[in-house]
Amino acid sequence: EIVLTQSPATLSLSPGERATLSCRASQSVSSYLAWYQQKPGQAPRLLIYDASNRATGIPARFSGSGSGTDFTLTISSLEPEDFAVYYCQQRSNWPRAFGGGTKVEIK
Amino acid sequence: QVQLQESGPGLVKPSQTLSLTCTVSGGSISSGSYYWSWIRQPAGKGLEWIGRIYTSGSTNYNPSLKSRVTISVDTSKNQFSLKLSSVTAADTAVYYCARDSRGLMPWGQGTLVTVSS
Repeated sequence: EIVLTQSPATLSLSPGERATLSCRASQSVSSYLAWYQQKPGQAPRLLIYDASNRATGIPARFSGSGSGTDFTLTISSLEPEDFAVYYCQQRSNWPRAFGGGTKVEIK
Repeated sequence: QVQLQESGPGLVKPSQTLSLTCTVSGGSISSGSYYWSWIRQPAGKGLEWIGRIYTSGSTNYNPSLKSRVTISVDTSKNQFSLKLSSVTAADTAVYYCARDSRGLMPWGQGTLVTVSS
């Protein structure tokens, strides 16, 4: 079973700053990695699929990179609505797994 | 666009079976090469994938829940369903349904199921 480890657990930043979130897999997931954003009381929203492809309607300030075991989600300039929890998820192997999440909070 | 909506009891007694339905609107559940998934999230915690079903009836279940989970599909009603047996307090969570392709999208809004006597 693949384990996804996200770091840091919490990221304290100000609007306009760049956010860099990490997701590390316990074994290679090739490029089969997705990123989700979740706000309180809402369902998660798909941001990035297959490591670097933005989902429909996702702003260009969100970008994903990586392959194998190390992946990064970058938010180039934080907007007020970007403060949320972010999860990575692999679809390389069954069972599908999510990372533990990174909370991006306002500094 | 496709929308998903979970429905079912919000309170289930310990040892009983949790039953939820996800209704798909805005498109046919049978169109396209999609799986249909169930995911849950205990309060304040992370996401756990429960399982998924293809419209042919083929399923994949999380091994941690496999002995207790059944996912089924009713294409005539454009619905798929989740049954989780022998529930305990640890099964209390928000349960989501979602369409599964290269990522989970869209999601239902989620429904809170509490296991309590």
